[in-house]
Amino acid sequence: EVQLVESGGGLVKPGGSLRLSCAASGFTFINAWMSWVRQAPGKGLEWVGRIKGKIDGGTIDYAAPVKGRLTISRDDSINTVFLQISSLRTEDTGLYYCVLVDCTGGVCYPGNFWGQGTLITVSS
Amino acid sequence: QSVLTQPPSASGTPGQRVTISCSGSTSNIGDMYVNWYQQLPGMAPKLLIYRNNQRPSGIPDRFSGSKSGTSASLAISGLRSEDEADYHCASWDASLSGWVFGGGTKLTVL
Repeated sequence: EVQLVESGGGLVKPGGSLRLSCAASGFTFINAWMSWVRQAPGKGLEWVGRIKGKIDGGTIDYAAPVKGRLTISRDDSINTVFLQISSLRTEDTGLYYCVLVDCTGGVCYPGNFWGQGTLITVSS
Repeated sequence: QSVLTQPPSASGTPGQRVTISCSGSTSNIGDMYVNWYQQLPGMAPKLLIYRNNQRPSGIPDRFSGSKSGTSASLAISGLRSEDEADYHCASWDASLSGWVFGGGTKLTVL
């Protein structure tokens, strides 16, 4: 059974930083593409970035609005993907989801396996 | 402001058919597949439709997707109370080199 469990969220002051973790199980992690999607309170979903699997070079792509402040990484030895966010702003407040990317048939998209999300609140 | 445009709300009565629209551009919907996600209250999103009109295993055929030009639609027939949720469309955007979502549509079953 695929499981994605996020952790690391919390209350942080503007300008601070935070590192989120997503522990994965139930599938072959090393070649899996993983994505982060966030949702501000009462708002829609926003794709933050993705990291490809080892076989595809582990390339990382970021959404333009967050590029430069976010770093996605992975540790295949512990089946975990990370999201480091720096220079946090109030507008970064929201629920951050870890998502398994589905690449069936050569077309990749945020698939059917999402974590429960971890909440970041940026406030002074 | 979301790249894809959805109506903020939609409603219907049990048994009715409702549609939710999603408008984009040539850099996303016009040239890429569209997915739809259902988000029940307090839950993580769930994939409802992929590649414009494909349903994952377990999704009833009451849910259907279509695409025409730079717009897409999600149709729900035989509306049920448990369909009350937020629905989000998504597509890859070639200009932005990233996934883009609509702002979400809150469906109310009256």
